[in-house]
Amino acid sequence: EVQLLESGGGLVQPGGSLRLSCAGSGFIFSSYAMSWVRQAPGKGLEWVSIISGSGGSTYYADSVKGRLTISRDNSKNTLYLHMNSLGAEDTAVYYCAKGPVSGIYYLDYWGQGTLVTVSS
Amino acid sequence: DIQMTQSPSSLSASVGDRVTITCRASQGISNYLAWYQQKPGKVPKLLIYAASTLQSGVPSRFSGSGSGTDFTLTISSLQPEDVATYYCQKYNSAPSTFGQGTKLEIK
Repeated sequence: EVQLLESGGGLVQPGGSLRLSCAGSGFIFSSYAMSWVRQAPGKGLEWVSIISGSGGSTYYADSVKGRLTISRDNSKNTLYLHMNSLGAEDTAVYYCAKGPVSGIYYLDYWGQGTLVTVSS
Repeated sequence: DIQMTQSPSSLSASVGDRVTITCRASQGISNYLAWYQQKPGKVPKLLIYAASTLQSGVPSRFSGSGSGTDFTLTISSLQPEDVATYYCQKYNSAPSTFGQGTKLEIK
């Protein structure tokens, strides 16, 4: 059974940093692209970033480029999102999600999400 | 970047009704279009990919169609458990933008 478990969310001050993690199990982690999608309170889904199975290719939404960095450690079956220079607009539930293959694709499994709140 | 626009933004229909939600891409995306269902307080769930392929386990009352710029999600006979917000997503290239969502309620 595919499972994705996010962690690392919490309250952070404006301008601060945070690292989210997503542990995958039940599938060959290195074979699949992984993505981050966020959802601000009461708002819609916003695609944030994707990383290929090998980690060699990454893409970002313009709204996070230069501030958020996606990475993965396939030896630990873990996906990361390094978040810097956070602002109120980054307050959201952050979901990690798995694609069906290694490239840019739809998202067939989602984690439960972790809440990031940026506030003083 | 390609923009995804859904219509309507909200919809109220009766049990048993046929419901159609539209998603339009600002440029052609072939059939690289997915639909997701998010029930209140829950995680998004994949319904359809490649514009018309039903994900395993999804009820057959859901169907998708379209190619290029115009796509539709149809529920053939609305059920109470279909109350949710529905999102389209393009995945032909990054960024894999979502539509703004369509909130579906029971009348």
